[in-house]
Amino acid sequence: AQSVTQPDIHITVSEGASLELRCNYSYGATPYLFWYVQSPGQGLQLLLKYFSGDTLVQGIKGFEAEFKRSQSSFNLRKPSVHWSDAAEYFCAVMEYGNKLVFGAGTILRVKS
Amino acid sequence: DAGVTQSPTHLIKTRGQQVTLRCSPKSGHDTVSWYQQALGQGPQFIFQYYEEEERQRGNFPDRFSGHQFPNYSSELNVNALLLGDSALYLCASRLRAGTPVINEQFFGPGTRLTVL
Repeated sequence: AQSVTQPDIHITVSEGASLELRCNYSYGATPYLFWYVQSPGQGLQLLLKYFSGDTLVQGIKGFEAEFKRSQSSFNLRKPSVHWSDAAEYFCAVMEYGNKLVFGAGTILRVKS
Repeated sequence: DAGVTQSPTHLIKTRGQQVTLRCSPKSGHDTVSWYQQALGQGPQFIFQYYEEEERQRGNFPDRFSGHQFPNYSSELNVNALLLGDSALYLCASRLRAGTPVINEQFFGPGTRLTVL
């Protein structure tokens, strides 16, 4: 069965600092990969997705992610974090039939 | 254009009771999926509906059932509630025609179910 691991439960960064959230997946075929963000009381919002092609993917809100097949990773990055980025971030892989398998999430805290 | 809507927002039930949660998909979408998100965990796939039938199911017991109506809205029913059913239940919709590459899933805000 496919699985997604997000090793960091919590991450705290200073406003203006760079950010990297880690994601490792287990999937036999070429994966379809996603990053979602969830603010308190909100549903999941798609930040970016990778299906094929260029391994560096640009998303909304200044986020990007890099797919590394050799490391089975799809890490999310942002050069300069804003206080409004504080939220929980989920990495996911798509299985057959459009079913999403999510990691446990990483809570991002931003300190001023 | 309204996105995915869910009702109610919050719900409190006691063990053994039954609950029905509702979801209206984004305009133009015909496929609805349900996810359970327990506290501190990522969402887990429950099942997916299109053309008014359950098409795919995750690892959830038969106490979890659903329905899709002709207008594509959907219900999630949970019978014989357990304390462990306490979670945020998320609904997601998409347009099935085409491929997942093109057709993003949109998530609703969820229903917070508390079982006492």
